[in-house]
Amino acid sequence: DSGVTQTPKHLITATGQRVTLRCSPRSGDLSVYWYQQSLDQGLQFLIQYYNGEERAKGNILERFSAQQFPDLHSELNLSSLELGDSALYFCASTPEIGRAEADTQYFGPGTRLTVL
Amino acid sequence: GDSVTQMEGPVTLSEEAFLTINCTYTATGYPSLFWYVQYPGEGLQLLLKATKADDKGSNKGFEATYRKETTSFHLEKGSVQVSDSAVYFCALSDRGYSTLTFGKGTMLLVSP
Repeated sequence: DSGVTQTPKHLITATGQRVTLRCSPRSGDLSVYWYQQSLDQGLQFLIQYYNGEERAKGNILERFSAQQFPDLHSELNLSSLELGDSALYFCASTPEIGRAEADTQYFGPGTRLTVL
Repeated sequence: GDSVTQMEGPVTLSEEAFLTINCTYTATGYPSLFWYVQYPGEGLQLLLKATKADDKGSNKGFEATYRKETTSFHLEKGSVQVSDSAVYFCALSDRGYSTLTFGKGTMLLVSP
């Protein structure tokens, strides 16, 4: 158990809908990362937040957005869903910059999204 | 940009065989290198890491050495078990708090 939690574990929805995925980082970790894992694209970085602020952006679609709240949990919002958005979505967390293991990301169990 | 190349799988071995999964990388600067493992139906677990040249990461019988001269970080295990069957991902981070760049993953199947 990495200490990172994600809910829900599974999500089934229809095209055109909007969903929210939730992530709670390990206790004390300030940074949250979101990744998408699909069969054709592999593991792709989407977005990173550090202590509430967006720090880095990867291959995140405009239909997707995220935020990190004062209690450090993060939400990934996916809207106008398409069949191709079906994937596993992982979040990961790391400690405060400068602390030991600040370079090591610990992953949650993922949310499997199925768009029908 | 940064990239990681892994050998394609699946790698099929008998129990107690020797394992090597090749990983090479391209990065500017001096990245940290990682191996993550994903068991069926689960998330990614950190297996081992190395943060500078010639460092050896090790865990659960797996080892990998950071070779700057060959830009490689090959994963090895002397005697695999059926329970090692999983997908293994090589990854790099080009600075302490940056994002991870992953390879495509290598599936390992170990038969009794």
